[in-house]
Amino acid sequence: GAGVSQSPSNKVTEKGKDVELRCDPISGHTALYWYRQSLGQGLEFLIYFQGNSAPDKSGLPSDRFSAERTGGSVSTLTIQRTQQEDSAVYLCASSLSPPRTTKGSYNSPLHFGNGTRLTVT
Amino acid sequence: AQKITQTQPGMFVQEKEAVTLDCTYDTSDPSYGLFWYKQPSSGEMIFLIYQGSYDQQNATEGRYSLNFQKARKSANLVISASQLGDSAMYFCAMRDTGRRALTFGSGTRLQVQP
Repeated sequence: GAGVSQSPSNKVTEKGKDVELRCDPISGHTALYWYRQSLGQGLEFLIYFQGNSAPDKSGLPSDRFSAERTGGSVSTLTIQRTQQEDSAVYLCASSLSPPRTTKGSYNSPLHFGNGTRLTVT
Repeated sequence: AQKITQTQPGMFVQEKEAVTLDCTYDTSDPSYGLFWYKQPSSGEMIFLIYQGSYDQQNATEGRYSLNFQKARKSANLVISASQLGDSAMYFCAMRDTGRRALTFGSGTRLQVQP
């Protein structure tokens, strides 16, 4: 089946402009996540959606960053007044709602899209 | 708070040999899951293997196995019979009751030499 789809794959924008990044998760996946990966670095968590609500938005670096999800499906990450330090690859992932096993472990892996490479000039 | 530590920024291994990538974690939650992902130069994140905190046996998936030492809070990835296509970044990650998202380590770059 289709995987996680992100668009655009590349985005170059001028400092101060707003950008919107789109994520289309795997059908049936109720959980959706946004991460950011700077060049050669690990993955930095931004926000987690369960359905249309975001119970964990603790990773958003500033109020310039916001995200929404509609219809329990597509999500949009918006960065306002972009800065050069916002340049990174933005990765979206989806998973089944982490099922709690009888022993309490959460074993739903995240399935990632190919990311959007954002360059702020 | 969750923390994942990968102390090896880079590793080299000869083709057909086994290699161990280290991962230690810190959580006070008795219920957690540990994941390993591979990121080739193309950038995609590929899920490799999962280990639950209550699992009695070490997880295995083909050439990948996880050396889970709960008391030491380590979850090392073992790749047997390395192939040139195994050259990539490898990330260890964890989820516990406190956070549904995965927390990732800084990664280890593995290079397989012919």
